[in-house]
Amino acid sequence: GQSLEQPSEVTAVEGAIVQINCTYQTSGFYGLSWYQQHDGGAPTFLSYNALDGLEETGRFSSFLSRSDSYGYLLLQELQMKDSASYFCAVGDTGRRALTFGSGTRLQVQP
Amino acid sequence: DGGITQSPKYLFRKEGQNVTLSCEQNLNHDAMYWYRQDPGQGLRLIYYSQIVNDFQKGDIAEGYSVSREKKESFPLTVTSAQKNPTAFYLCASSGPGGHGYTFGSGTRLTVV
Repeated sequence: GQSLEQPSEVTAVEGAIVQINCTYQTSGFYGLSWYQQHDGGAPTFLSYNALDGLEETGRFSSFLSRSDSYGYLLLQELQMKDSASYFCAVGDTGRRALTFGSGTRLQVQP
Repeated sequence: DGGITQSPKYLFRKEGQNVTLSCEQNLNHDAMYWYRQDPGQGLRLIYYSQIVNDFQKGDIAEGYSVSREKKESFPLTVTSAQKNPTAFYLCASSGPGGHGYTFGSGTRLTVV
């Protein structure tokens, strides 16, 4: 099966940089994705890494190291609206559906 | 605009009842998924379908059933066999590649 681990909570101040780590175990790795979910809302897709390295999308970047089964989401120039839960999710070639981590709740303080 | 529509937004079920949650997409996506989310938890996969008339069980399929008769529709039935159905249910779809999911706004199911 698949399993993912990520911190349950992270707190940071407005304007700062925060990194949310994710380690995973899967038998047939097929990419690591990141999703954002505000309270009461639906998850929205942020980024995807299939290969090692850094992917940048505006203030958000995502990194993957397949040899370490590890990735992270980097949020720069934090804004209050970034307060949300962030989920990493792994795809598997044996089961073409994402398995999600338990989520990291980010609180951005003024 | 293309998207996924889930209905109803809130649903109350009595003990012993079956209820069906609707999920419709107009994104022309082949793959569709159902996830369950409990408070403060991640998303757990119930069922998924890669193509019309075919679907597979996820990690927590017991007490649930689905159908995929049309590309646009993937309804989920919560049966009386599901002992703890109170949760937030999310439907999603994906296009080629399968990694960028689009989610519906969800249905909150409560047993009364």
